[in-house]
Parts: sequence; structure tokens; C-alpha cells
Amino acid sequence: GAVVSQHPSWVICKSGTSVKIECRSLDFQATTMFWYRQFPKQSLMLMATSNEGSKATYEQGVEKDKFLINHASLTLSTLTVTSAHPEDSSFYICSARSQESSYNSPLHFGNGTRLTVT
Amino acid sequence: AQKITQTQPGMFVQEKEAVTLDCTYDTSDPSYGLFWYKQPSSGEMIFLIYQGSYDQQNATEGRYSLNFQKARKSANLVISASQLGDSAMYFCAMREFNAGNNRKLIWGLGTSLAVNP
Repeated sequence: GAVVSQHPSWVICKSGTSVKIECRSLDFQATTMFWYRQFPKQSLMLMATSNEGSKATYEQGVEKDKFLINHASLTLSTLTVTSAHPEDSSFYICSARSQESSYNSPLHFGNGTRLTVT
Repeated sequence: AQKITQTQPGMFVQEKEAVTLDCTYDTSDPSYGLFWYKQPSSGEMIFLIYQGSYDQQNATEGRYSLNFQKARKSANLVISASQLGDSAMYFCAMREFNAGNNRKLIWGLGTSLAVNP
């Protein structure tokens, strides 16, 4: 159980275009989803926290107009990278927490999306 | 100040031997949890083991065990009988229960483990 599906696994887009990444909880309802960015051989950097039905909370230094997060349902959150630039190339990974989870529950992660902006 | 410190950027271990990956943490919250995740080169994050601040015994999960020393604020991961498939990045993370921050995890910088045949 507790499967998180992230799509696409990898995407190449041209500079100036937008790309949408989907994160779905397949067998549970995710009240909270976390979006991370990871540079090669570095740790996970939390970008934002999204709660279903409300606006996402962005971490300091993350441009909310550039990284649009929508959590419209209990099973789907999306991250849209708008007007992508080569410096946005990175590995993006989502994780989800269920309504029933307790403090000692691990987060469930998607498999990540490798974005390359040319 | 770093809340989670992993001092070993890279580690090597011989197949079938045991290896210890270090993690120290800093918190003033008396209630917290520590998590270890594995990230293979494919990128997915795999949960390995959890230790709660009030747990009396060290956590164990198969070949993984946690050497939890609360007074020293350390939560080292021990992998016994290393296998080639254990080669990956390993991350230590902490959740502070009273932080009121959506239960987000605070991450260490990770340790890259290479298992030699």
C-alpha cells in the first residue's frame, strides 16, 4: 500500500515553455503533499507544502509564480514550472502524507521527475 | 545551524561486511522521530527505518538497525552483511513533533555508499 505515482519520469522542454509534473496517491488520500528539488549528489530541498483545497506554502527563496502548485483533490497535486530556464533543470520529487498518518509515519515518495530545459 | 549532520560524504564497504553511516541531530523538541531513507541511482526514495525519541530500544528492520544514542543526539544506521544492491545515497531525516510545520522532514546532506564486490 501507500503508493505514490509521479509523472512524467523525465521531460525535456525548451526554454520559455512550461511543464507540468503530476503526483498522485494511488491507494490513499493525501491531505498533504511535499514537493522537493534535488541537484545532483545533493540533499532534498523542500520547495513547498501543499494541503488539499488550500494554497501551497512555499519555502523561503522559492518563487511561487514560477513554481505553481495545485492540490485540487486528495489524490492529486501538480507542480508547474512556468517559463522554464536551463537553471530549472533538476530532479523534482514529490511525497505524500495520508490523513490517517501519525507522527512516526514515513513519507511516501514518487519516483521523481528529471527535468532538462534546453 | 545544521539540524541533521551526516559527516561522511562517501563510504566504501566490502560485500558481506557491516557498515555504519553516521547521523547526528540537533533539536530542542523533546518529541521527535528520526528516519533513514535510501536513494538508489534511479532516484526513488525508499524508507528504511524509524526511531522515535521515546523508543526504549534501538529500531531494527531486517539487515538495518539504528544505533540510537539520545544523550549524544546520534542515530547511526548500521547495515549488516552488505550487498551490492546497497550501493546508494543514504539520507537521515528528522521530524519534530511539536514544530507545527505540517510534519515536514528535515534532511541531512546524505552519504554515498559504495559496496565493493
